[in-house]
Amino acid sequence: QSALTQPASVSGSPGQSITISCTGTSSDVGTYDVVSWYQHHPGRAPKLIIYEVNKWPSGISNRFSGSKSGNTASLTISGLQAEDEADYYCCSYAGSRTLVFGGGTKLTVL
Amino acid sequence: QVQLVQSGAEVKKPGASVKVSCKASGYTFMFYFIYWVRQAPGQGLEWMGIINPTDGSTTYAQKFQGRVTMTRDTSTRTVYMELSSLRSEDTAVYYCARDLAAAGRFSMDVWGQGTTVTVSS
Repeated sequence: QSALTQPASVSGSPGQSITISCTGTSSDVGTYDVVSWYQHHPGRAPKLIIYEVNKWPSGISNRFSGSKSGNTASLTISGLQAEDEADYYCCSYAGSRTLVFGGGTKLTVL
Repeated sequence: QVQLVQSGAEVKKPGASVKVSCKASGYTFMFYFIYWVRQAPGQGLEWMGIINPTDGSTTYAQKFQGRVTMTRDTSTRTVYMELSSLRSEDTAVYYCARDLAAAGRFSMDVWGQGTTVTVSS
């Protein structure tokens, strides 16, 4: 299984919106609506922010939203805040109880 | 509250094995899959495998097959991940994480605090 493809970095100013893409294949993202996104601050455990493409876990702000088209999933963060600065990872189900992560995207809030 | 508590940091020599534990509390242990994920220094998250505490069935990432073993002890609500034939590239923080839902949603909503494993001669 190859890692899903994410941009290495994105940036935005407070209040703006940014989108992070996550490109897989027809064996993972393209077939299964089981894409999750994780926010990871260095030194802490990752945090689930989106599951099943576009659903929010309890307690997660709706400033985070997810979508999917074909083999590419996307995470949009609106109304950027300083505390959003972190690494973001997508993760897709790939069949037969296997998962694959993206390479991660570093978000910088300018 | 729901939590996963992992064992402490380990330092191992190349070729050795390491066994990391993950003790669950605050929920029905048998109902939720447990995943293992690692992050090497400067690298991204990497999925290692999954264990179903109900029957102990496992699925491992192809990269780790033959070197990783995940087990569970239902009496102590603890899951274990053992990695053998360690090499320097296995130096990483290892996390256990619980599935979001009892039905298995393949998303991880509760994470352990992480266990640092250092492989060095």
